[in-house]
Amino acid sequence: KQEVTQIPAALSVPEGENLVLNCSFTDSAIYNLQWFRQDPGKGLTSLLLIQSSQREQTSGRLNASLDKSSGRSTLYIAASQPGDSATYLCAVGLLGGGADGLTFGKGTHLIIQP
Amino acid sequence: DTEVTQTPKHLVMGMTNKKSLKCEQHMGHRAMYWYKQKAKKPPELMFVYSYEKLSINESVPSRFSPECPNSSLLNLHLHALQPEDSALYLCASSPAGAGGYEQYFGPGTRLTVT
Repeated sequence: KQEVTQIPAALSVPEGENLVLNCSFTDSAIYNLQWFRQDPGKGLTSLLLIQSSQREQTSGRLNASLDKSSGRSTLYIAASQPGDSATYLCAVGLLGGGADGLTFGKGTHLIIQP
Repeated sequence: DTEVTQTPKHLVMGMTNKKSLKCEQHMGHRAMYWYKQKAKKPPELMFVYSYEKLSINESVPSRFSPECPNSSLLNLHLHALQPEDSALYLCASSPAGAGGYEQYFGPGTRLTVT
């Protein structure tokens, strides 16, 4: 069974800092990996999608990397802003058989201090 | 239009009630999903409709019943729910269900069972 772990569970940093969120998964047979942002009580906003054949994706101040063989992904946020405060979820799509949904990590709760 | 809409936003129901949640997308996606998210937990996959074929997470109780009237609409019928079913119910869609595609999430329906 695929397990997804995110470290740290919570992070509080001053505005302007660069930061890294970590995600690991136990089964490397994945289609893709997707990073989401979730504000309290809200739905999920997709940030970045990395296909299993790709090593990284970038969008604005966000950069996500994927090392499928070691089962790791990182989300790098540059020049953090208070508006970045949210829970960040990592999810993997598993290859083959059964329902093709995503398996999520428990998330990193991020607070950016003004 | 990259939007997934869900209605209602909030729902309070008694344990003897029958209610339905509705999800709609107009992106031409052929796969739609229901996820359940308890407070401070990651989303968990309940059902997938991919090209009108249903896949079920075997741990989901039969008091939840999905319906896909067409490729743009997804309903979740609720009957005889328990208080522990109170959660945020998220709908998502993707271009296809065969993996490798980005999933787009709706804002969710906050369900409270009394």
